[in-house]
Order: sequence, then structure tokens, then C-alpha cells
Amino acid sequence: AQTVTQSQPEMSVQEAETVTLSCTYDTSESDYYLFWYKQPPSRQMILVIRQEAYKQQNATENRFSVNFQKAAKSFSLKISDSQLGDAAMYFCASTNSGGSNYKLTFGKGTLLTVNP
Amino acid sequence: DTGVSQNPRHKITKRGQNVTFRCDPISEHNRLYWYRQTLGQGPEFLTYFQNEAQLEKSRLLSDRFSAERPKGSFSTLEIQRTEQGDSAMYLCASSPNTGLWYEQYFGPGTRLTVT
Repeated sequence: AQTVTQSQPEMSVQEAETVTLSCTYDTSESDYYLFWYKQPPSRQMILVIRQEAYKQQNATENRFSVNFQKAAKSFSLKISDSQLGDAAMYFCASTNSGGSNYKLTFGKGTLLTVNP
Repeated sequence: DTGVSQNPRHKITKRGQNVTFRCDPISEHNRLYWYRQTLGQGPEFLTYFQNEAQLEKSRLLSDRFSAERPKGSFSTLEIQRTEQGDSAMYLCASSPNTGLWYEQYFGPGTRLTVT
């Protein structure tokens, strides 16, 4: 079974600043995928960034990047040049790559506030 | 491609009533997932379809819950004899069978309130 832990229930950042959201996970799988999803208030969940565990290079998507530390089972999200539209609940999630059911295991989320 | 849609968006029902939710996945997505999200929690997996076959059900899915995906297109989730503990957001997600098969696209969810 996989577990995902987000230890920061809430975080805040000033507009244009950088913020890092933490996530740790546990899995017995040798190959798996990690994700950060964004859930704005009353809006649907959107995939922000993904990381394949077999890749050593950290994933980057525009202002979003991850710090993937496989040995430490850590997967943090860095948001650079924070914008008001980044305010949302952020979920870290994992899935294994075996079988056909790629169900996601989510953490409890981190509520990000962006202050103007 | 209009994304994953779910109906209704909100449902208020009295305890003991039956409710049914519908999910329309992205066309040609073979995989379809249902999750439940309670307040302050991340989504939890309920069940998974590949085409029309329901291949896995979580222990969270009691006997009062049933899901179908006839013809491998839309899916329905029915809850019989609703209880107050069923109040939650029910999320549907789909993913393709090839390419980025591990990426799931979520619908807006159906918020269920049981009074």
C-alpha cells in the first residue's frame, strides 16, 4: 500500500515570491509516479506537474518545479513568482506503474494563500 | 474534447433515500475512476473501470454503493439508503489507455449532502 503525507496544512506566500510545499511518501513499489494536483475553491482538480520515479531529473513546468529525493521518499513542489491565481488546495499524489489500475493515493492537502 | 463532466453538481437528499450520479469521461478514455473526498481530506479511491469492466473496488465501497459503466462510456454511481456519513464530494476521473495512461483528468465533482 502507498501512503502520502503532507505535513503543512496551510502555507502562505507573498505575490511574486517563492514557496515550497512538502510531501513525503511511502511505497513498496520499485516503479511509480508522483503528482501534484491543484484544486481551486469550488473548481475541479487540475494536474500541475508529474514525476516518473525512474527519472533522476526533476520535473519542471513553467513556474512549477519539484525536488524529487527518491532515497528520502520526498517530493516537494516549488512555485516561483507566485500569482494570485495560484491560491488553491494542493494535493500530492502517487500511483504505481504495475497492473492496470493506476489509482491515485492522495495526501491531505496544503492550502496555499497568496497575499497581494 | 470537453473534459470530464459530472451531473448533478450538487445533490441534497434525506437520509434513507437513493441517489445516482453520472460521470461522462473524456471521449476515448478507457479508464474511469471514482473517488470520494470529505472535508479537509484528500480524495480516496472508490472504484475503477477499464472499458465496461469494473476491475477493482475499495473497501470503502459498502454494499449500498454500486457503480456501472455500460458500453464503456459514461458511468453511474448509485448510493442506496443514504446515510449522513455519505455526505462528501464524489469525483470522477478518466485516463487514456495509451500514451500518458497514468495521468488522470478530473471532473468538477458532485457534492452530496445527506440531511
